[in-house]
Amino acid sequence: NAGVMQNPRHLVRRRGQEARLRCSPMKGHSHVYWYRQLPEEGLKFMVYLQKENIIDESGMPKERFSAEFPKEGPSILRIQQVVRGDSAAYFCASSPFLLENIQYFGAGTRLSVL
Amino acid sequence: KNEVEQSPQNLTAQEGEFITINCSYSVGISALHWLQQHPGGGIVSLFMLSSGKKKHGRLIATINIQEKHSSLHITASHPRDSAVYICAAYYGGSQGNLIFGKGTKLSVKP
Repeated sequence: NAGVMQNPRHLVRRRGQEARLRCSPMKGHSHVYWYRQLPEEGLKFMVYLQKENIIDESGMPKERFSAEFPKEGPSILRIQQVVRGDSAAYFCASSPFLLENIQYFGAGTRLSVL
Repeated sequence: KNEVEQSPQNLTAQEGEFITINCSYSVGISALHWLQQHPGGGIVSLFMLSSGKKKHGRLIATINIQEKHSSLHITASHPRDSAVYICAAYYGGSQGNLIFGKGTKLSVKP
């Protein structure tokens, strides 16, 4: 049973470009969480999704950031018009239905904005 | 406001020493995670516990619900244990998110 898969592991973008980060949850998991870790800071919650629904996006910046978890395929975290301050490690976690307190983490995507 | 506090922030130990990392949280929780993050690496979940004590190899995690406190212990520490250890609390409710401590950076010297 493969773990939570994130890709790419490293992503380099120039200012103004778009970044798309993918997360495939563990098989059978219907809940996905995105977290951001800024340099020298702790992890911070961004968004919580179930299939085709955003449950809680209270941690998402109001502009340029969006997330989806379609019926088929991975969850996508999309950052439009990236700025240097978006450089961070983005982690995805998944959990099985009705067991939301057990989260399994992916290896993260490290985004560098030049 | 829900908060998770960890101590110490940094910890240096000699190989073989017994390590304790502490975590306290502000209000009632339904579960607490201990996570390990290696430099440049991903995050590994070590334990999830809601009461009592769990043990895995040289790692032991305990939680005291009344005192709102958890500890992570490492026995016979080894340089490969060097990592950042993160405590994260799950407060439940409509949000599915974890509240993270800032982490404890452990360095074990040979």
